[in-house]
Amino acid sequence: AQRVTQPEKLLSVFKGAPVELKCNYSYSGSPELFWYVQYSRQRLQLLLRHISRESIKGFTADLNKGETSFHLKKPFAQEEDSAMYYCALGSGAGSYQLTFGKGTKLSVIP
Amino acid sequence: KAGVTQTPRYLIKTRGQQVTLSCSPISGHRSVSWYQQTPGQGLQFLFEYFSETQRNKGNFPGRFSGRQFSNSRSEMNVSTLELGDSALYLCASSYGGTEASQQFFGPGTRLTVL
Repeated sequence: AQRVTQPEKLLSVFKGAPVELKCNYSYSGSPELFWYVQYSRQRLQLLLRHISRESIKGFTADLNKGETSFHLKKPFAQEEDSAMYYCALGSGAGSYQLTFGKGTKLSVIP
Repeated sequence: KAGVTQTPRYLIKTRGQQVTLSCSPISGHRSVSWYQQTPGQGLQFLFEYFSETQRNKGNFPGRFSGRQFSNSRSEMNVSTLELGDSALYLCASSYGGTEASQQFFGPGTRLTVL
């Protein structure tokens, strides 16, 4: 069965400090991993996906198949990064069935 | 491009009733997925439609059903409502091709069952 675990419900960091949001997954096939973000009073939106290997708003995430992890990182947190972050797993190429983690609320303290 | 729209935005029903929620995808998108979001279970996949056919289905009882029309608009129906069906229902649209594609989410419909 597919499973996504985000161990932290809430993560508070000071502005300018590094951020790491943890995500571990369980899946027997070839995974597609995504990070979605929801800012206050906005709809859920894609932040980045592992297949693109890109940096969005300073965030990066590397898929580690050995550790089955897809942690989200940013070297210097900004106040505007405060939001709810969800890690999601797609079950194969072209999959539109996403399994979401419970989410981590990131709070950046000024 | 206009974003994904969902109607109604809020709905109050009583146990035993049925409800229909609507989702209009972004123009050109042929895939529509539905998710249920609750504080306890988080975001859970309900089903996905592509070109009027259900392509994927989550682990929900048969009371939850959906359909998609030729213009890609989708509806989901919940019959015999239970208190536990109170949730935010999100739909997401995408092009629906064979490669990983970005899903665009709507604002959701907040369903309260009394």
